[in-house]
Amino acid sequence: DQQVKQNSPSLSVQEGRISILNCDYTNSMFDYFLWYKKYPAEGPTFLISISSIKDKNEDGRFTVFLNKSAKHLSLHIVPSQPGDSAVYFCAARAQGGSEKLVFGKGTKLTVNP
Amino acid sequence: DAGVTQSPTHLIKTRGQQVTLRCSPISGHKSVSWYQQVLGQGPQFIFQYYEKEERGRGNFPDRFSARQFPNYSSELNVNALLLGDSALYLCASSLALGTYEQYFGPGTRLTVT
Repeated sequence: DQQVKQNSPSLSVQEGRISILNCDYTNSMFDYFLWYKKYPAEGPTFLISISSIKDKNEDGRFTVFLNKSAKHLSLHIVPSQPGDSAVYFCAARAQGGSEKLVFGKGTKLTVNP
Repeated sequence: DAGVTQSPTHLIKTRGQQVTLRCSPISGHKSVSWYQQVLGQGPQFIFQYYEKEERGRGNFPDRFSARQFPNYSSELNVNALLLGDSALYLCASSLALGTYEQYFGPGTRLTVT
């Protein structure tokens, strides 16, 4: 069973517009959520994170929103730039035990000039 | 500062062979985790090591093993390779237990023929 789901395999937006990437989860024990960006032939790059006790975290052009009641989080990129084109992974960590991250399947973002 | 490094970059093996992958964490990071990423999927957790001890293990067969050395570098070993082991193997390091952000290396692309 997939505990972290990214239901949109791809997303295309125009440069300068907002990109919104969505992620749903099923495990109530997740206490920390992270977004990673991955370019081809590279490892995932850490982007931004949020604790389950917060509902928003902002870092420059990137903002992550967490809705615990809906078990949903989203990553907003404003304004989107062509260099943002990559695969974005949502990941979650369960409190207690090992520190493994559970990843979604990823969403491929294309920002068109 | 150097990021997480992994070697080799690419590897081609035959079914039934054994393979060893290597990882050096970011300087000062004491925790190393291994992930397997097959095409079209997100990374899947294999192992976490901290201070040379196994702290977590994912749902992988006993053909997979790992260890961490006193300098915090790590090796992942896979015995009796199967075609299904073909994947990108990612190493991630984090500062210590309880730090959520994990930083990934570029990965080792393993192809089993």
